[in-house]
Amino acid sequence: SAVISQKPSRDICQRGTSLTIQCQVDSQVTMMFWYRQQPGQSLTLIATANQGSEATYESGFVIDKFPISRPNLTFSTLTVSNMSPEDSSIYLCSVERLAVGLEAFFGQGTRLTVV
Amino acid sequence: DAKTTQPPSMDCAEGRAANLPCNHSTISGNEYVYWYRQIHSQGPQYIIHGLKNNETNEMASLIITEDRKSSTLILPHATLRDTAVYYCIVRATLESMRFGAGTRLTVKP
Repeated sequence: SAVISQKPSRDICQRGTSLTIQCQVDSQVTMMFWYRQQPGQSLTLIATANQGSEATYESGFVIDKFPISRPNLTFSTLTVSNMSPEDSSIYLCSVERLAVGLEAFFGQGTRLTVV
Repeated sequence: DAKTTQPPSMDCAEGRAANLPCNHSTISGNEYVYWYRQIHSQGPQYIIHGLKNNETNEMASLIITEDRKSSTLILPHATLRDTAVYYCIVRATLESMRFGAGTRLTVKP
């Protein structure tokens, strides 16, 4: 399995500010994804983080609101910009190493509360 | 569009087998069936996956029907720690994991 470290694990932020979440993996991975899980809901895919190029966003998510970086094969960041209380969610990083197996592994998530 | 249908909730007695069903009637030939679970306040945990043959590992067994339109995840001896939301996902290689609502399994003493 892959060991995934997400930082911060939780944060309380003021509306209108931005928060950058980091995802660090202990080995090189093929794919990296970012998900959002709103309170009491299932996981929703935000985007696929592509190394060296712009992320691929799902319908309903835009780069201006959720800019994503992936500078190498072990690290990615997700920024939640100009936050509002509706952005209060758990944000999760997921990785896959296709050369090793077909399963995805998930970080423990970042619990964000916007006040 | 959800590719899978699962019951919203199930109960199971501790020590008994938990059988969680999943319907995926529109599954394509190159799509695998995956099962994950999410224990409260944690990230999803991989359980098992399969293409068409039944699979077993240290956590569970996966039974896929011959027409591949449905499957069952079996936890052979459920414990209280198995209380979680269980997600059945179908996807092809290189596709992202897309989660439905899942089944909330409650294991009772």
